[in-house]
Amino acid sequence: AQRVTQPEKLLSVFKGAPVELKCNYSYSGSPELFWYVQYSRQRLQLLLRHISRESIKGFTADLNKGETSFHLKKPFAQEEDSAMYYCALRSLGGYNKLIFGAGTRLAVHP
Amino acid sequence: GAVVSQHPSWVICKSGTSVKIECRSLDFQATTMFWYRQFPKQSLMLMATSNEGSKATYEQGVEKDKFLINHASLTLSTLTVTSAHPEDSSFYICTAGLSTDTQYFGPGTRLTVL
Repeated sequence: AQRVTQPEKLLSVFKGAPVELKCNYSYSGSPELFWYVQYSRQRLQLLLRHISRESIKGFTADLNKGETSFHLKKPFAQEEDSAMYYCALRSLGGYNKLIFGAGTRLAVHP
Repeated sequence: GAVVSQHPSWVICKSGTSVKIECRSLDFQATTMFWYRQFPKQSLMLMATSNEGSKATYEQGVEKDKFLINHASLTLSTLTVTSAHPEDSSFYICTAGLSTDTQYFGPGTRLTVL
């Protein structure tokens, strides 16, 4: 079964501390993994995707097929990073549908 | 950038009535749109895939007669919650994409059934 697991509902850190939001997945085949972010009172938006191998707003995520993980990392958290983060897997079953994890709320304190 | 709108942004209705939610891609055409449901403090659950010009594809456990989807044009998909009940109260979100790569999210519609 296709599944995305985000074990932490809340991650609370101080400004300047490193951040790692965990994401594990189960998928039979080659998955495409994404991180979406939802700031307060805003709609979800794409943060990054594994095939791009890019850094957005200081965040990076590496796909580890051996550990079936796609953890989101940032070396120095900022207050403006406070938001809800969703890890998502794209099913290749024809219609590009996304399967979301439960989400992790990141709270960065001054 | 691509913009997806939803209307209404929130709606309150009485139990037993039907509610229609619109999803529009404002500056692009989308052959496929997706409808998600989000309960408070929970993740998004895919309900159905809306295909322009054909029947929607529903996820397991989603009643197609309860949640009617119509994708009448390349810029509009509608979700009608028929005979709504309090347990249908939720946040409904649609997405649309320019291609298979990126999905853009609508702002969501909050439905409250009294």
